[in-house]
Amino acid sequence: EAQVTQNPRYLITVTGKKLTVTCSQNMNHEYMSWYRQDPGLGLRQIYYSMNVEVTDKGDVPEGYKVSRKEKRNFPLILESPSPNQTSLYFCASTPFSSLNTEAFFGQGTRLTVV
Amino acid sequence: AQTVTQSQPEMSVQEAETVTLSCTYDTSESDYYLFWYKQPPSRQMILVIRQEAYKQQNATENRFSVNFQKAAKSFSLKISDSQLGDAAMYFCAYRFNTDKLIFGTGTRLQVFP
Repeated sequence: EAQVTQNPRYLITVTGKKLTVTCSQNMNHEYMSWYRQDPGLGLRQIYYSMNVEVTDKGDVPEGYKVSRKEKRNFPLILESPSPNQTSLYFCASTPFSSLNTEAFFGQGTRLTVV
Repeated sequence: AQTVTQSQPEMSVQEAETVTLSCTYDTSESDYYLFWYKQPPSRQMILVIRQEAYKQQNATENRFSVNFQKAAKSFSLKISDSQLGDAAMYFCAYRFNTDKLIFGTGTRLQVFP
């Protein structure tokens, strides 16, 4: 089954404690992105990757890091989380071939930083 | 910069009735893509319908259809014969030339029996 898998689905952590949210897709898609969803703001892109070892900032990259060492994986790293990073996070992947193609989203990760 | 605006934070509809969700966007491009996504309480993002800007014909998917007005930069979603399972947050989104989706702020739809 074609899917994007995020882990964990829920996470509560304390300010400053490094964490990683994993994302893996089994569709051999080139593009992968991370979004955060906040009430009244919709979803905003944090980082994206066009292929292995190619990553770039989205609209709200501050406080986040990513890596793309393998095509299927695109982890999101919060080196020193702060309460303003409490949010719902989505990973998404899209094939390079066509921009009208559906973006496949993971199940979301609800992060709370206290 | 491209922007997407959903001016209705909440909407409600009676079961079996029709409801229209509004979306406007701003872009200087002529060829782009527009999407409606549904987010039920499970949080999963589900594609409802998509529209290519160079196609004049409005997209339809079963009970879901769009009214795409390119000159007015408007992309509304019509849900016919509303069902309880249609209750969700709906996001309008725009894409041009990259994989990045630009989302509106969402409209929460309630469906009453």
